[in-house]
Amino acid sequence: EAQVTQNPRYLITVTGKKLTVTCSQNMNHEYMSWYRQDPGLGLRQIYYSMNVEVTDKGDVPEGYKVSRKEKRNFPLILESPSPNQTSLYFCASTTLGVGDTQYFGPGTRLTVL
Amino acid sequence: RKEVEQDPGPFNVPEGATVAFNCTYSNSASQSFFWYRQDCRKEPKLLMSVYSSGNEDGRFTAQLNRASQYISLLIRDSKLSDSATYLCVVNIGTGANNLFFGTGTRLTVIP
Repeated sequence: EAQVTQNPRYLITVTGKKLTVTCSQNMNHEYMSWYRQDPGLGLRQIYYSMNVEVTDKGDVPEGYKVSRKEKRNFPLILESPSPNQTSLYFCASTTLGVGDTQYFGPGTRLTVL
Repeated sequence: RKEVEQDPGPFNVPEGATVAFNCTYSNSASQSFFWYRQDCRKEPKLLMSVYSSGNEDGRFTAQLNRASQYISLLIRDSKLSDSATYLCVVNIGTGANNLFFGTGTRLTVIP
């Protein structure tokens, strides 16, 4: 089954404690991205990657890091989480090109206390 | 100004009703357009792409008006299962790194 998986699905942590949210896709897609979704603001892109070892900032990259060492994995790293990073996070993947469908992971609900 | 703006909603409609959502976009160079559906606390899923000539998929019809820079989604004969948030998505360039999402319009279909 074609899918994007994320882990963990739910996480409560404290300010400053480094965390990683994993993302994996089994569709051999070149393109992967991370979004956060907040009430009234919609989905905003954090980082994206157009292929292995190619990453770039999205609209709201501050406080986040990513890596793309393998095509299937695209982890999101919060080196020092803060309460304003409390949000619902989605990983997505797609083939490159106009009009291609983005497949989203199930989401990670993060709370930073 | 936001790249993509949607009707604020919420829309509460009875079963069987027809409901329409509009979405405006600011970048005239936008190249592709989509409607996604998002159920509560779930991930967005593609409902349909929107083509210049308009397109229909069962009870759903999407229209694009490039001159006025808006897209619309019409749902006929609403079902309870249509209750969800509908996201308007615009790609202002090539590749998915130029996708902009509306904040969504919430629809509740009432028995």
